[in-house]
Amino acid sequence: QKEVEQDPGPLSVPEGAIVSLNCTYSNSAFQYFMWYRQYSRKGPELLMYTYSSGNKEDGRFTAQVDKSSKYISLFISDSQPSDSATYLCAMQWDSNYQLIWGAGTKLIIKP
Amino acid sequence: GAVVSQHPSWVICKSGTSVKIECRSLDFQATTMFWYRQFPKQSLMLMATSNEGSKATYEQGVEKDKFLINHASLTLSTLTVTSAHPEDSSFYICSARDRRTYNEQFFGPGTRLTVL
Repeated sequence: QKEVEQDPGPLSVPEGAIVSLNCTYSNSAFQYFMWYRQYSRKGPELLMYTYSSGNKEDGRFTAQVDKSSKYISLFISDSQPSDSATYLCAMQWDSNYQLIWGAGTKLIIKP
Repeated sequence: GAVVSQHPSWVICKSGTSVKIECRSLDFQATTMFWYRQFPKQSLMLMATSNEGSKATYEQGVEKDKFLINHASLTLSTLTVTSAHPEDSSFYICSARDRRTYNEQFFGPGTRLTVL
């Protein structure tokens, strides 16, 4: 079993829809949770960074962390074709700076 | 802020030659930089962690003599692929940890290496 599980997709939704992306993890020691967006042949771009449980909003993006369920989510509202990319979740232990990555979910927003 | 650059963005070389890739943090100081490798449609694989002024820490299975890492300053780390072979062809990405924000990592745009 991988430490971080993420459905690789692809996930295809129509423009304007609310998108839900998820990761589950097995190690309860993870404290920091991140979502990155990666366009084809580009480096990952940090979208959201959260510590421990709770919600965090930034514009159209909302990150949720449920440590009791070992489950994190990224919601994208009013999705746009420009949101089409691969979304990777990543996690860290409190004192270890190595990122543990999910496989990435390919998202396609259809105009 | 928090911009990381990589140079070159793509490189083609002959088998047996060496290639150097630079990673720079443009607007912040990075005490730690990371080098990743990514194959098509796969997630990032950490190769090594580089701390300024000290030797890099390599992940299991990564040959340190083949992938030479130098972190000479708080804004520059280099990865040299020595005696490159076609199987070294990949997308190499660096990231830098901003000492001000402690845990956040910011990524460069990546370097596509093709070894003929």
